[in-house]
Amino acid sequence: QVQLVESGGGLVKPGGSLRLSCAASGFTFSDYYMTWIRQAPGKGLEWVSYISNSGGTTKLADSLKGRFAISRDNAKNSLYLQMNSLRAEDTAVYYCTRTLNGGNYDSWGQGTLVTVSS
Amino acid sequence: QSALTQPASVSGSPGQSITVSCTGTSSDVGAYNYVSWYQQHPGKAPKVMIYEVSNRPSGVPDRFSGSKSGDTASLTISGLQAEDEADYYCSSYTTSSTHVFGTGTKVTVL
Repeated sequence: QVQLVESGGGLVKPGGSLRLSCAASGFTFSDYYMTWIRQAPGKGLEWVSYISNSGGTTKLADSLKGRFAISRDNAKNSLYLQMNSLRAEDTAVYYCTRTLNGGNYDSWGQGTLVTVSS
Repeated sequence: QSALTQPASVSGSPGQSITVSCTGTSSDVGAYNYVSWYQQHPGKAPKVMIYEVSNRPSGVPDRFSGSKSGDTASLTISGLQAEDEADYYCSSYTTSSTHVFGTGTKVTVL
């Protein structure tokens, strides 16, 4: 069965950096687009970034450009999100999702909490 | 990219039908048939209920249905059940090749 396990979240000071990871299993990772989605405490879902199956195409939410970057390692069945210059408003649970055609997020991880606070 | 507009809350009695709307623009909802709907129970990850406007994944009850007219998509739950009480979010692909979520709707079963 499809399994997505995020890691790397935690407490970080404003201006700091974190790298989130997502370990995928139960499917052929290199066949699928992947997407990061976040949810601030008590708030709605926010689309963050996606990456094509080969890694050759990436898209990032305009509000995050210059600070966040998505990548993947198909040999390790892993997805990453590098987050730099973190701000309090980046505090959220970050979900890794398998992405089908047109943005159908058919499988989700359990999420990893990122808290940006001094 | 602005969030798609959903009502903050919708309620209904068991057995009734309710509809949740999702209003966007000609750059997202109105541009493609790539609207999805997600159900989220408290403390849990979201689950896809509808994809590509009106398709139901395997295992989703057929009381859930989706449609679209112009820039507005809709999720209808027929025969509302207690376990349907949750937050619901729509999502759409955009003409900028990005994605955008709706503001979310809390569905309450009275």
